[in-house]
Amino acid sequence: QVQLQESGPGLVKPSETLSLTCAVSGYSISSGYYWGWIRQPPGKGLEWIGNIYHSGSTYYNPSLKSRVTISVDTSKNQFSLRLSSVTAADTAVYYCARLMGSGWYPLDYWGQGTLVTVSS
Amino acid sequence: DIQMTQSPSTLSASVGDRVTITCRASQSVSNWLAWYQQKPGKAPKLLIYKASSLESGVPSRFSGSGSGTEFTLTISSLQPDDFATYYCQQYNSYSSFGQGTKVEIK
Repeated sequence: QVQLQESGPGLVKPSETLSLTCAVSGYSISSGYYWGWIRQPPGKGLEWIGNIYHSGSTYYNPSLKSRVTISVDTSKNQFSLRLSSVTAADTAVYYCARLMGSGWYPLDYWGQGTLVTVSS
Repeated sequence: DIQMTQSPSTLSASVGDRVTITCRASQSVSNWLAWYQQKPGKAPKLLIYKASSLESGVPSRFSGSGSGTEFTLTISSLQPDDFATYYCQQYNSYSSFGQGTKVEIK
């Protein structure tokens, strides 16, 4: 059974960098599939942030591209998100997830999500 | 960017009702469309992919149809467990989600 678990600070100051890690169990990232980050502001809808392949190939939401970096560590079977210059608008529940295939696919396994609040 | 628009935003229905949710894309996404169900405090759950393919383990009362720019999710007979928020997602060009449709008890 594939399981994903997000971790990282729950509180980030404005203008600083948000950093989260997604630990994957039950499946080796090196075996394939794309892995993604999605966020959801409180009471609002879902926003795709970006995807990464085990090779390090990435795709980012154009609206966030200048501030987002997604990386992968196959030795630890995890991938990470960095979002720079955060503001209150970046307050959200952040989810990591697996795409169904090695390309553009829907998301079939999700982490439980972690709330990140941007506040001084 | 492809914009996804769902209607209605909120839907009031009773157990046993047939429910239909519509999702429109700002340009064609072929059949690269998925539907998710989300309950409060939980991650979304994949229901339908490739517009009409039922994800494993999802009850057959859920069905999807459409192609191009217009899609529908139908619940043939609403059950108590189905009261939730539903999202469509296109994955034809990058990825984007609809704003959600909340199905509430009438």
